[in-house]
Amino acid sequence: DAGVIQSPRHEVTEMGQEVTLRCKPISGHNSLFWYRQTMMRGLELLIYFNNNVPIDDSGMPEDRFSAKMPNASFSTLKIQPSEPRDSAVYFCASSPRRVGGKYEQYFGPGTRLTVT
Amino acid sequence: GDSVTQMEGPVTLSEEAFLTINCTYTATGYPSLFWYVQYPGEGLQLLLKATKADDKGSNKGFEATYRKETTSFHLEKGSVQVSDSAVYFCALNQAGTALIFGKGTTLSVSS
Repeated sequence: DAGVIQSPRHEVTEMGQEVTLRCKPISGHNSLFWYRQTMMRGLELLIYFNNNVPIDDSGMPEDRFSAKMPNASFSTLKIQPSEPRDSAVYFCASSPRRVGGKYEQYFGPGTRLTVT
Repeated sequence: GDSVTQMEGPVTLSEEAFLTINCTYTATGYPSLFWYVQYPGEGLQLLLKATKADDKGSNKGFEATYRKETTSFHLEKGSVQVSDSAVYFCALNQAGTALIFGKGTTLSVSS
């Protein structure tokens, strides 16, 4: 089975440019999560979706960040304009949704973003 | 709100040593508990889980027992290998919410 797929794996861009990160969750999973990982702040939840609907975006750092999930098999995280402090590894994760369940998440390999 | 606290690392061990990484949690209700592992340059992988009190999760020689009375979920392994060197994350979730992670503990095993 294919796991969570993220692209690109590495992205280097200049400050001010738009960056789009992509994620394909595991087929059949109903929840999708975007995380950011840095040395200083550790692993932070940015936003998550259930059945393509954003449920909690309180972790999105500011209006420069936006996320969409147009269908069950695709999500994007966009940063516009990007800044050097956005440099981090961005992970996407998905999980199955079981009624009343407390489910594990499956992580993609991450996108390492460097903003110069 | 709910939270997870892990022992701070790094933890440095020799091969075949015994490993304990402490994890305690604060939560209302009855969360599920997880240990994830992150190898260098990779994403997080689920290592083991427990969904109710006194459950023991186990995988690849690692074990952790859900202790409700002490709100703990300590990770143990009887004999570590160099290949176990990684960052370990304790996490919890309640039904219908996202995972809450600890800050991670770096384990370094030398031969």
